[in-house]
Amino acid sequence: AQTVTQSQPEMSVQEAETVTLSCTYDTSESDYYLFWYKQPPSRQMILVIRQEAYKQQNATENRFSVNFQKAAKSFSLKISDSQLGDAAMYFCAYRSLAGNNRKLIWGLGTSLAVNP
Amino acid sequence: DAGVIQSPRHEVTEMGQEVTLRCKPISGHNSLFWYRQTMMRGLELLIYFNNNVPIDDSGMPEDRFSAKMPNASFSTLKIQPSEPRDSAVYFCATRGWGSSYNEQFFGPGTRLTVL
Repeated sequence: AQTVTQSQPEMSVQEAETVTLSCTYDTSESDYYLFWYKQPPSRQMILVIRQEAYKQQNATENRFSVNFQKAAKSFSLKISDSQLGDAAMYFCAYRSLAGNNRKLIWGLGTSLAVNP
Repeated sequence: DAGVIQSPRHEVTEMGQEVTLRCKPISGHNSLFWYRQTMMRGLELLIYFNNNVPIDDSGMPEDRFSAKMPNASFSTLKIQPSEPRDSAVYFCATRGWGSSYNEQFFGPGTRLTVL
């Protein structure tokens, strides 16, 4: 079974600085999707970025980018020029493309604080 | 589109009472997921539906929990009888078909408190 591990329960960063959140996963599959979701204090779960495993190029969305290392099964999220509004819980998630599976496998999350 | 709609947003009830949580998916989305989130256990998938059919309910904690999706535009999660340990935030998420729609879109959640 697939698992997702976020080894950093809490992180902090100074405003305008860069921070990297780590995520590793375990799978025997070769094709899958990976996601980072953000959950601010409002509780709303918001998709930040996604990565298709077959794509070698790292996904980027404005200040958010990933470092996808398929062989190492690592999927870290880099937030550049951190803003106060980036403070939230960040969840890494995995989705298999095998069969008819629609489930996401979730990490336990990393709480990010942004210091002014 | 209004996104995934959940009601109520907050529910406070007494132990033993029946609780019904509601979800309206994004129009056209054919997969629907019910999650529970607590500090202790994080985000847990309870059940998910494809085309209104329950596919995997292995996350449903006990027989006190039941979920239905009578049509493509509505789903309920029911707890009967409720217990204090059911206190959590319950999320509904939906997903559509196609390679452009691999992410799940979440509703705002229902914060349930069982006294």
